[in-house]
Amino acid sequence: SQTIHQWPATLVQPVGSPLSLECTVEGTSNPNLYWYRQAAGRGLQLLFYSVGIGQISSEVPQNLSASRPQDRQFILSSKKLLLSDSGFYLCAWSYTPGLAGPQQFFGPGTRLTVL
Amino acid sequence: SQQGEEDPQALSIQEGENATMNCSYKTSINNLQWYRQNSGRGLVHLILIRSNEREKHSGRLRVTLDTSKKSSSLLITASRAADTASYFCATDSKGYSTLTFGKGTMLLVSP
Repeated sequence: SQTIHQWPATLVQPVGSPLSLECTVEGTSNPNLYWYRQAAGRGLQLLFYSVGIGQISSEVPQNLSASRPQDRQFILSSKKLLLSDSGFYLCAWSYTPGLAGPQQFFGPGTRLTVL
Repeated sequence: SQQGEEDPQALSIQEGENATMNCSYKTSINNLQWYRQNSGRGLVHLILIRSNEREKHSGRLRVTLDTSKKSSSLLITASRAADTASYFCATDSKGYSTLTFGKGTMLLVSP
C-alpha cells in the first residue's frame, strides 16, 4: 500500500531563517507531487506541483521554492522566512494521469509558525 | 481566486440529522471531488463525480452535480459525531494534474 510522510510535524522558526520541509511517498512510482499551504480557517492554496524528477511548476510567486531530487521525494524550501509564511503545509500525491483516478492523497501536514 | 466556493461556511447539527453542503465553481470541469479534513490533519478523499454524472452514492454520502448551474452538493445522511470535520470541494478546471480547492464547510455534529 502507498503511504506519504511529512516532517517535521511542527516547526517554529524566526523571521529571516531558512526552511526545509520534506515529503516522501512510498509504495508507488512516478507520482505527481504537490505542495499546498492552508492559512487558518482557509482553503488550500496550491504552491508547487511536480510531474517528474526535476520538473517543478510554481503556481504562486513567493518566498518559497520546491525541488524534487528523487522520484518520491519533494522538498519545500525558503532562504529567508517571512511572517506571512506561517501556515499549515500539506504535501500530496496522485497517480500519473491515465493510470488511475485523479484523486490526491495527503500527508499529515507541517504546522509552521514564523515569529 | 478560488474556483470552488462552499456554503455554508459552518454548519451545526445534531447526531442523526442530515447535513447538506454546497459548492459552486466558475469554469468548466472534468470532475469534482469532495475531501474531508479533521482538525489539524491532512485531507482525505471522499468521493469523485465526473462531469457526465449527475448523482453518485458512497455509503452515507450522496453527491450531486449540476454542470448547467456549476454547482455540486454533498449530503451526509444520519450524521454521527465522528463526521465532525471540514469538507472541501475541489475541481480540476486548470487541468487534469492540479486541483483547486474551496474554502470549505466546517461541520459540527453534536451528540
